[in-house]
Amino acid sequence: AQKVTQAQTEISVVEKEDVTLDCVYETRDTTYYLFWYKQPPSGELVFLIRRNSFDEQNEISGRYSWNFQKSTSSFNFTITASQVVDSAVYFCALSEYSSASKIIFGSGTRLSIRP
Amino acid sequence: KAGVTQTPRYLIKTRGQQVTLSCSPISGHRSVSWYQQTPGQGLQFLFEYFSETQRNKGNFPGRFSGRQFSNSRSEMNVSTLELGDSALYLCASSWEGRPNTGELFFGEGSRLTVL
Repeated sequence: AQKVTQAQTEISVVEKEDVTLDCVYETRDTTYYLFWYKQPPSGELVFLIRRNSFDEQNEISGRYSWNFQKSTSSFNFTITASQVVDSAVYFCALSEYSSASKIIFGSGTRLSIRP
Repeated sequence: KAGVTQTPRYLIKTRGQQVTLSCSPISGHRSVSWYQQTPGQGLQFLFEYFSETQRNKGNFPGRFSGRQFSNSRSEMNVSTLELGDSALYLCASSWEGRPNTGELFFGEGSRLTVL
């Protein structure tokens, strides 16, 4: 069975600090997708990234970076120089390669950035 | 480009009633997925429709059903409502052409309260 664990329920940091959100996943599939989504107070989920299981290159997009380590089944997300607008709930997620819309979400990490 | 539109945004029903929620995907998107979000269970996949056919289904009882029309608009129905059906119901659409980032575009959701 597939499972995504986000052990950090809530994180609070001061603006401009770096923060890393942890994600550990379980799957028996050899090919799969991993995702990060952001849910601001408005409620709609906002896509941040999708990685497929055979691409372990880390990715950087502005202040965001992702570290995918297949050996430890982890897909961690780092925000550098955090800003108040980064405050949201962040979800890590997993899907089968053949059913990319059927996403298994983690329980989410609520991130609060204090000015 | 208009985003995913869900109606109604809020509704209150009583136990035993039924409810129908509507989702209009982004123009050109043929895949529509539905998710239920509750504080206790988190985000859970309900079902996915593509070209008017259910392509994937989550682990929900038969009281939860859906359909998709030829214009890709989708509806989901919950019959014989229970208190535990109170949730935010999120609809997402995606484009399956190339290139494909795998992004699901979510609506703001329909918040259902069952009394």
